[in-house]
Amino acid sequence: EADIYQTPRYLVIGTGKKITLECSQTMGHDKMYWYQQDPGMELHLIHYSYGVNSTEKGDLSSESTVSRIRTEHFPLTLESARPSHTSQYLCASGVGTGELFFGEGSRLTVL
Amino acid sequence: GESVGLHLPTLSVQEGDNSIINCAYSNSASDYFIWYKQESGKGPQFIIDIRSNMDKRQGQRVTVLLNKTVKHLSLQIAATQPGDSAVYFCAEESNTNAGKSTFGDGTTLTVKP
Repeated sequence: EADIYQTPRYLVIGTGKKITLECSQTMGHDKMYWYQQDPGMELHLIHYSYGVNSTEKGDLSSESTVSRIRTEHFPLTLESARPSHTSQYLCASGVGTGELFFGEGSRLTVL
Repeated sequence: GESVGLHLPTLSVQEGDNSIINCAYSNSASDYFIWYKQESGKGPQFIIDIRSNMDKRQGQRVTVLLNKTVKHLSLQIAATQPGDSAVYFCAEESNTNAGKSTFGDGTTLTVKP
């Protein structure tokens, strides 16, 4: 079992609300990632971090933002949620070239 | 219950049969490949990986084959069990993008009892 946790698992909110998806890992990994995945579809990288105070945008453009103040914590924030943000968000961590350890995901629905 | 060469979005096999899941990649610079299994309601979980200096690697009941000439990757599951039912993804990385995995289209494997 990977020691990476995401909260909330499910979230239903109205348009315009601000939301933060939490991701924490206890493995001491420097590298952390956020992927967006529609049901049954491929994963798209939206943000990544190679260490504290380091964040980069991924291949898929996203209106979300991230921060990395502590090694173990990599939250993702949407300032004003819209229905187009409805998706599953997967957080992962790793040590470099190698397997990624994924959380169980946060399924967001914006009404 | 086998399909070689062609990526299929779904694959249905009988319990006990062997399964072959295919993946094509496009980046010639990719030198590290990973297979993940994603069960319903969960995040992807690592199955097996292979580096570009190899063409075959075996694990427990799983084998990954890499054909760099045609940029093709396959995952073979021996004696498929109901617990193998899931979506399977291949992922690739290159030295220039180490740690940033690019995921392919998934294949949904259904195992019939």
